[in-house]
Amino acid sequence: EAGVAQSPRYKIIEKRQSVAFWCNPISGHATLYWYQQILGQGPKLLIQFQNNGVVDDSQLPKDRFSAERLKGVDSTLKIQPAKLEDSAVYLCASSPAGPDTQYFGPGTRLTVL
Amino acid sequence: SQQGEEDPQALSIQEGENATMNCSYKTSINNLQWYRQNSGRGLVHLILIRSNEREKHSGRLRVTLDTSKKSSSLLITASRAADTASYFCATQGSNYKLTFGKGTLLTVNP
Repeated sequence: EAGVAQSPRYKIIEKRQSVAFWCNPISGHATLYWYQQILGQGPKLLIQFQNNGVVDDSQLPKDRFSAERLKGVDSTLKIQPAKLEDSAVYLCASSPAGPDTQYFGPGTRLTVL
Repeated sequence: SQQGEEDPQALSIQEGENATMNCSYKTSINNLQWYRQNSGRGLVHLILIRSNEREKHSGRLRVTLDTSKKSSSLLITASRAADTASYFCATQGSNYKLTFGKGTLLTVNP
């Protein structure tokens, strides 16, 4: 079974630029999550989708971050404009409908200069 | 906000020794999960223990949960160099949201 795919793996941009990350979850998984992991900390949930609907985006900085999952499969996370403090690893995870185990992708390491 | 707090922040042991990591949390939970993260990689799910369970085993892993003290422990027996990684506890409530702690960095020296 293929795991969660993410691209790109690394991205370096300057502040005020825009960036987008892509995630393809495990086939058949209804729930998709985006996390931000700052160096030395645990992952923090940014947004959770159930199929193509948003379940929780309470910690998403909506003035600069946006995410979509148009067909209920893959998803994109965008930052516009980026700030220095957005430097982090962005992790995508998926799970079957309901709670329990989440399966994580390898992450995208973003560096904002 | 972080729900779980792992202790210690860092742990260094010799191969073959046991490693114990602790996690404390603040609110009621449906389950508590432990994940491993190797440097520069994604998280790997290790084990899940539900709120009505007290102990669970998986291979060399043993997890305990004390809901009265809002704490959990992860024991890795007979550690190997390949166990070197960061270990995170994560609590899951009724809304399926996972809330992670800051992690314990385990180093197993050959």
